[in-house]
Amino acid sequence: GDSVTQMEGPVTLSEEAFLTINCTYTATGYPSLFWYVQYPGEGLQLLLKATKADDKGSNKGFEATYRKETTSFHLEKGSVQVSDSAVYFCALRGTGTASKLTFGTGTRLQVTL
Amino acid sequence: GAVVSQHPSWVICKSGTSVKIECRSLDFQATTMFWYRQFPKQSLMLMATSNEGSKATYEQGVEKDKFLINHASLTLSTLTVTSAHPEDSSFYICSARAPAQPQHFGDGTRLSIL
Repeated sequence: GDSVTQMEGPVTLSEEAFLTINCTYTATGYPSLFWYVQYPGEGLQLLLKATKADDKGSNKGFEATYRKETTSFHLEKGSVQVSDSAVYFCALRGTGTASKLTFGTGTRLQVTL
Repeated sequence: GAVVSQHPSWVICKSGTSVKIECRSLDFQATTMFWYRQFPKQSLMLMATSNEGSKATYEQGVEKDKFLINHASLTLSTLTVTSAHPEDSSFYICSARAPAQPQHFGDGTRLSIL
């Protein structure tokens, strides 16, 4: 079945540092890929998405490129802020009308001054 | 602004009582709603999927008699935790989706059973 593997956290960075959170997936066909962010005590918010190979999703300075050859969708940001501290979930949705979101285990990011 | 409203955000109740959580889509018709459970520092576990007007489809290992889901309209789904016990304490998150649209999440409900 479908699965998502993302790097374990927590990831601790200083403000303005470069961020990479790795995500790889296993799925049949051509899934859509997502990054969600969860702030403390809240639900998930869609951060960005990509629906086909080589697509780049971007939002709020975050980027991720759908790499089918490496089955990856790594999240990057050039300069993190304290306000980026949250848990980041990589997810995929397989093809088909009944497909569901499959989440990775989440990576906690802590940004310090 | 939020497109999915979940209520209550936090509830504490005694063991043995039933608790109802509401999930509303605010500005779209949610043909499909999802209920997730999240344990501390873990990912979301899908509990069930419901389509408006039909019975919910539960994931393996989720007790349908324990977690009653009703999706009576295109904007409202409810999750009722029946005869709740301390092991049911968790963070419950609903999500809603219209056809061919992104899936939106509520802010979650923290349930604590004493």
